[in-house]
Amino acid sequence: KQEVTQIPAALSVPEGENLVLNCSFTDSAIYNLQWFRQDPGKGLTSLLLIQSSQREQTSGRLNASLDKSSGRSTLYIAASQPGDSATYLCAALSPGGGSSNTGKLIFGQGTTLQVKP
Amino acid sequence: DAGVIQSPRHEVTEMGQEVTLRCKPISGHDYLFWYRQTMMRGLELLIYFNNNVPIDDSGMPEDRFSAKMPNASFSTLKIQPSEPRDSAVYFCASSRTSGGVTDTQYFGPGTRLTVL
Repeated sequence: KQEVTQIPAALSVPEGENLVLNCSFTDSAIYNLQWFRQDPGKGLTSLLLIQSSQREQTSGRLNASLDKSSGRSTLYIAASQPGDSATYLCAALSPGGGSSNTGKLIFGQGTTLQVKP
Repeated sequence: DAGVIQSPRHEVTEMGQEVTLRCKPISGHDYLFWYRQTMMRGLELLIYFNNNVPIDDSGMPEDRFSAKMPNASFSTLKIQPSEPRDSAVYFCASSRTSGGVTDTQYFGPGTRLTVL
């Protein structure tokens, strides 16, 4: 059974700092690894998706890496800003159940980030 | 595109009452997912559909929960009877198939359910 863990649960940094959020998963048989952002009282917004055959993906100040062999992914945020304050969730798309070969997302508990001005 | 639409946004009900949550997926998406989010358990997949057919309902907590997708543009999640422990935020998400697996999931704003 796939389990996804995120450390730390909370992080507070001063504006401008570069930071790394960590995600680990127990089963390397994944289709992809996704990072989401969730603002308080809101839904989830997809940030980056790394296919199982890829090592990293970049979008603006965000860079996500994937190491399937060690069961780890990291989200790197460069030059953090107060607007980056939110909860960041990683999710592994693992083989699903039922009669389909499609995957099901297994989420970590999230890292709540606060960037102080 | 309007994105995934959920209604109601907030629901307060009393224990024992029936609750129906609604979702309209993004047009053209062939997968629809229902999730529940609580502080204790995080985000959990309840059930998902492909082309309106339920594929995996192993996350549905018990028989009090049921979900339907009568057509490609509408799904419901029903709780009958509701209990205080069902209080949570319920999210609906949709995606399309890409390369044989589900692509990025797009989430709705959620329905915050409080059962008194």
